[in-house]
This record gives sequence, structure tokens and C-alpha cells, in this order.
Amino acid sequence: QKEVEQNSGPLSVPEGAIASLNCTYSDRGSQSFFWYRQYSGKSPELIMFIYSNGDKEDGRFTAQLNKASQYVSLLIRDSQPSDSATYLCAVQGGATNKLIFGTGTLLAVQP
Amino acid sequence: KAGVTQTPRYLIKTRGQQVTLSCSPISGHRSVSWYQQTPGQGLQFLFEYFSETQRNKGNFPGRFSGRQFSNSRSEMNVSTLELGDSALYLCASSNIGPDGYTFGSGTRLTVV
Repeated sequence: QKEVEQNSGPLSVPEGAIASLNCTYSDRGSQSFFWYRQYSGKSPELIMFIYSNGDKEDGRFTAQLNKASQYVSLLIRDSQPSDSATYLCAVQGGATNKLIFGTGTLLAVQP
Repeated sequence: KAGVTQTPRYLIKTRGQQVTLSCSPISGHRSVSWYQQTPGQGLQFLFEYFSETQRNKGNFPGRFSGRQFSNSRSEMNVSTLELGDSALYLCASSNIGPDGYTFGSGTRLTVV
């Protein structure tokens, strides 16, 4: 079982729709959860982090955390073509405190 | 405020050679982590340094090593290069506190 799992996609949504990206993790001791966005040929950039169960909103982005289900999600409202990128879920804490990444979900927003 | 700086941006090496990559973190950041990114495996954790000490290590062979200097700059070294080492090597720095990691632009290593 991978430590952090994401559906590789591609996830295709029309412009203006809500994109929902999901991530599960295996280490119950994990404490910090991050979403990074990576455009093709670029390095990852941090867009959201969340530590507590529930929702955290930042502009068009909402991160959701359910530690009991070991599940993290990212919602992107009013998706734009410029949101087309690979979204990486990262988890930190637990036994080693390493920041471990999932393999990412490719999001394609269709104009 | 300067970001994370990685040098060089591109490298082409021959099998069997060794290579050293450099990373200068954001000023004030004391933690530096290294990742290998390939299309098939995604971002794989190599190691993390904090105040010149290796704090964590990933599941890579001993050919991969690193170090951190007193000014927090870090280097990673790969000896006896193999074709499979061709990848984007990313460095990320962070400060004390839960604000995530900031990545550099990466070094694209090609082994021929």
C-alpha cells in the first residue's frame, strides 16, 4: 500500500465547474496535509495546507480533512483553464515526520 | 525575498560518473529536503537536513548522499550514475512551523 494515494486522472471538467481532487494516506499519525500544484515543466507550488478535521477555504480553493477516514480532498470552484495542472497531495507527520507526496492528479479544465 | 535556488538547471552525465547538485534555501530556512521526480514514480523523498544534520532519509541506495553547510546551503551527490538516475531533482526548504515546503526550480539530470 502506498503511503499517499491519488487517482492519476486525467480529471476533465468544464470551465466554471467544481473540480474535486481526492487523496488517501496510510499513516494514522500524520498531522499536516498539503496540496501543491505543478504546471508542466515547473516545480510544485504550495496552494493549501490543513491540519484540523473539517474544511479550510482560501478563495476558490477548499481543502477538506477527515482523519478518521484518512482522507484529504481539494475542491476548486469556478474552475478556469489556468487551473489545468497536476495537483499533488502531501502528508507529513507520523513516525518519521517526512513530507511524502502522492503521484498527483492531472486536472484538465476545458474552455 | 529570494526563493530557493538550485544549480545547475541542467546536467548531462555519462554512466559511471558522479554528480553534485547544489541548493540554497530561502534566507532563514534551516530545513532542506531533496526529492527525485520521474514520470513513473512521482516525487520520491531522498533526504532531509536540518542544522547540518540528516533528519530523515528515503529508500535510495547509498550512491545518493547529501550534506548541509552551516549557512543552510545543501548539496547532494550521486556516485556511479546509472541510466535510471535520469530525473528532475528538486530541493525544498522550510522554516520551523507548519507552513509547508517551498521548492526550487530543480536540476534536470540526464544520464547517457
